[in-house]
Amino acid sequence: DAKTTQPNSMESNEEEPVHLPCNHSTISGTDYIHWYRQLPSQGPEYVIHGLTSNVNNRMASLAIAEDRKSSTLILHRATLRDAAVYYCILSGGGSNYKLTFGKGTLLTVNP
Amino acid sequence: EPEVTQTPSHQVTQMGQEVILRCVPISNHLYFYWYRQILGQKVEFLVSFYNNEISEKSEIFDDQFSVERPDGSNFTLKIRSTKLEDSAMYFCASLGAGRMNTEAFFGQGTRLTVV
Repeated sequence: DAKTTQPNSMESNEEEPVHLPCNHSTISGTDYIHWYRQLPSQGPEYVIHGLTSNVNNRMASLAIAEDRKSSTLILHRATLRDAAVYYCILSGGGSNYKLTFGKGTLLTVNP
Repeated sequence: EPEVTQTPSHQVTQMGQEVILRCVPISNHLYFYWYRQILGQKVEFLVSFYNNEISEKSEIFDDQFSVERPDGSNFTLKIRSTKLEDSAMYFCASLGAGRMNTEAFFGQGTRLTVV
């Protein structure tokens, strides 16, 4: 499984943007970049995914480097409910879909 | 909003007993997964299931574990003879069809405590 590297923890203030980095220098051409998050005492939750182009959805934006060796999850205005562990994961789609979770980044949001 | 439902939310069992964890995936999904998370540790892949058979399993998924989709709606994980180290949160997930589909939905989990 292709590996990703994320900071162990990050801190943000409420209503400020948060940029969560992820390095994935061994990404293959068919790997999608997925972001999931896990709120305390809950199951993982899909946030966003992308292949080559930057992506936006109602939860976040995903900025992907041109060489695809790194990406950044952007939460435009952090809220207290965004406090969670964020996982950056590489995987194929469909029948090649398998999530291998690392330790992720623990995001703390200060009021 | 579609959701994956898991029951029970908490199961306490004695060591050596069999347990069955149940999941109702999203109705038109075709790929199903079980993951587990020991307290304070990473979420670990156990098994993936497609077209009524296991497509991949991890080293954790030994002969004590089995999965089944008995009636086209439920997806179950059976642990034949539980050990203390099986105590964990177990998450079921499902994924829709299509090579481009990469949004998996997870259930809220079953907390299994083996005593």
